[in-house]
Amino acid sequence: GAVVSQHPSWVICKSGTSVKIECRSLDFQATTMFWYRQFPKQSLMLMATSNEGSKATYEQGVEKDKFLINHASLTLSTLTVTSAHPEDSSFYICSARDLDRGEKLFFGSGTQLSVL
Amino acid sequence: GQNIDQPTEMTATEGAIVQINCTYQTSGFNGLFWYQQHAGEAPTFLSYNVLDGLEEKGRFSSFLSRSKGYSYLLLKELQMKDSASYLCAATRIGGTYKYIFGTGTRLKVLA
Repeated sequence: GAVVSQHPSWVICKSGTSVKIECRSLDFQATTMFWYRQFPKQSLMLMATSNEGSKATYEQGVEKDKFLINHASLTLSTLTVTSAHPEDSSFYICSARDLDRGEKLFFGSGTQLSVL
Repeated sequence: GQNIDQPTEMTATEGAIVQINCTYQTSGFNGLFWYQQHAGEAPTFLSYNVLDGLEEKGRFSSFLSRSKGYSYLLLKELQMKDSASYLCAATRIGGTYKYIFGTGTRLKVLA
């Protein structure tokens, strides 16, 4: 089946540093990728929709200068958490839809970010 | 606007049947997904309903009523490995195509 690769799986960083998370579609082209954030025992919160070759669409309340999204190719989207703080600690998951395989959403394995 | 509700937690016994409900109010509603998610892992696809009715897939079945804004996931012959969170997600069209997830239901299967 379609595979979405996300890395790193986990990262620990100091407060004030920036962290980049990569999301790749391995066997299909993804014009659109979605970035979600998940707190413990809670559901997925859509942060932004990443569009290849154009600006990302951010959900209300998500700071676009804080969470930089770049979708430079049809197989790669990146999320950069800039000047991370402890409150940014969370599980971040990317996902993509393969238009040739209907509406099913394929997920990356997630990135657990811990900011000290 | 958009609002998707599920019970927060459910408990059931191994071998039993459990029904997890999901109600939604989503403008531009297109279809409804169910995903299973084990702790610390990515969600995995279970089912997708666009039309009204029941879709059966092995031990799992999913139902949708578009007029009532209601769906349920039915799990039969529960196994311990079914202990997980179950997420319903509505897809919407109009503007940016997106998937909106419900609050998730944590299911605990007891021996």
